[in-house]
Amino acid sequence: AQKITQTQPGMFVQEKEAVTLDCTYDTSDPSYGLFWYKQPSSGEMIFLIYQGSYDQQNATEGRYSLNFQKARKSANLVISASQLGDSAMYFCAIYGGATNKLIFGTGTLLAVQP
Amino acid sequence: DAMVIQNPRYQVTQFGKPVTLSCSQTLNHNVMYWYQQKSSQAPKLLFHYYDKDFNNEADTPDNFQSRRPNTSFCFLDIRSPGLGDAAMYLCATSRDRGRGNPQHFGDGTRLSIL
Repeated sequence: AQKITQTQPGMFVQEKEAVTLDCTYDTSDPSYGLFWYKQPSSGEMIFLIYQGSYDQQNATEGRYSLNFQKARKSANLVISASQLGDSAMYFCAIYGGATNKLIFGTGTLLAVQP
Repeated sequence: DAMVIQNPRYQVTQFGKPVTLSCSQTLNHNVMYWYQQKSSQAPKLLFHYYDKDFNNEADTPDNFQSRRPNTSFCFLDIRSPGLGDAAMYLCATSRDRGRGNPQHFGDGTRLSIL
C-alpha cells in the first residue's frame, strides 16, 4: 500500500520569503514518482513538479524545488520568494507501478501575507 | 493552448435526476481520469481509461459510470445522484501510465444536489 502524509494542515509565510511544505511517504514499490500539485480556491489542480525515485538530483521548476531524501522517505516542496498568488492548497502525491494510480496526501493550506 | 476542458463549471441537479459531466482534451493523451473531491479532502480516483480500456476503482459506487467515445472526450454519468455525491469532479489526462507521466487536470465541475 502507498501512503502520503502531510503534517502541516496550514501555514503562513511572508511575501518574498521562502517556505517549505513537508511531505513524507510510504511505499513498497522500488520505482515510484512523487508529485506536487497546487489547488487555488477556484478549484483547478495545477501540476508543479515531479521527482522520480531513481533521480539523483533534486527536481527544480522555477521558484519550486523538491527536497528529495529517499532514505527518509521525504519529498518536501520549497517555494522561494513567495508571492501573494502562491496562496492555495498544496497536495503531495505518489504514483507507484503496483497500483497504477496517484495517491494524494491531505494537503497543506498556504497563506502568503503581504 | 493544449488543455483539459471540463463543462460545465458548475452543475446543479435534483436528487435522483441523472447528470452527465463532460471532459475534453487537446493534449492527445492516452489516459483520462475522473476524480471526486469533497470539501477539504484530497481527490479520490473513481476510474480511468487507458485508451479504450476502462479501469474502475474497487470502491467506486455503481451509481457512477463513464464513457470515452473517442480519444478527446470522456464523460462521467451519475445515474441517480444522492446528497452525498455533491462534490468537485476533476478530470485529468496523462500521456501514458507510469511514474514519469504527470497528470494534467481540468478546472473541475462543482456539482450541487438539491
